[in-house]
Amino acid sequence: AQKVTQTQTSISVVEKTTVTMDCVYETRDSSYFLFWYKQTASGEIVFLIRQDSYKKENATVGHYSLNFQKPKSSIGLIITATQIEDSAVYFCAMRNMGYKLTFGTGTSLLVDP
Amino acid sequence: GPKVLQIPSHQIIDMGQMVTLNCDPVSNHLYFYWYKQILGQQMEFLVNFYNGKVMEKSKLFKDQFSVERPDGSYFTLKIQPTALEDSAVYFCASSLDGTGSNTEVFFGKGTRLTVV
Repeated sequence: AQKVTQTQTSISVVEKTTVTMDCVYETRDSSYFLFWYKQTASGEIVFLIRQDSYKKENATVGHYSLNFQKPKSSIGLIITATQIEDSAVYFCAMRNMGYKLTFGTGTSLLVDP
Repeated sequence: GPKVLQIPSHQIIDMGQMVTLNCDPVSNHLYFYWYKQILGQQMEFLVNFYNGKVMEKSKLFKDQFSVERPDGSYFTLKIQPTALEDSAVYFCASSLDGTGSNTEVFFGKGTRLTVV
């Protein structure tokens, strides 16, 4: 069975700094997809970035990037130049060949001015 | 990004009554999902649906739950009868592919269901 673990329950940073959020996963599949989502204060869930397991290059979208370490089953999210509006709950998720998207428990990020 | 619409945003219903949650997926998407979230906690998978059939369901998808998408219209989650523990936010989601290059899953804003 799939499992996604986020051990950091909350992180607080100062605006314009860089933050890294951790995520480790478990799967028996050789091919899978990893995602990060953000849930805003209004409850909206927004897709941020994706990493395919067969790709060695770390994905980057805007000020989001990933640190994919396949041997460690780890997919960290890096947010550079954080902004106040980045304050949200961040969920790591995995999708294997069975189509189901499995989520971690989330990391709450607070960006202070 | 692509929009998934959920109607209504909030619904209050008496325990034991039936409720139908409606979802308008992204127009060309083929895979549909329902997730349950209690009090901003973890997103719990309920069910996924493709080509008119349930592909996989979790233990949370009780016998009182059903899904359908008649004639390519709304993708619905029906709970009959409702129980107090069904109170949660239900998120609908859709994706174009299952495991291909368009495998991102996009979520609606959720329907907050309160069973009283």
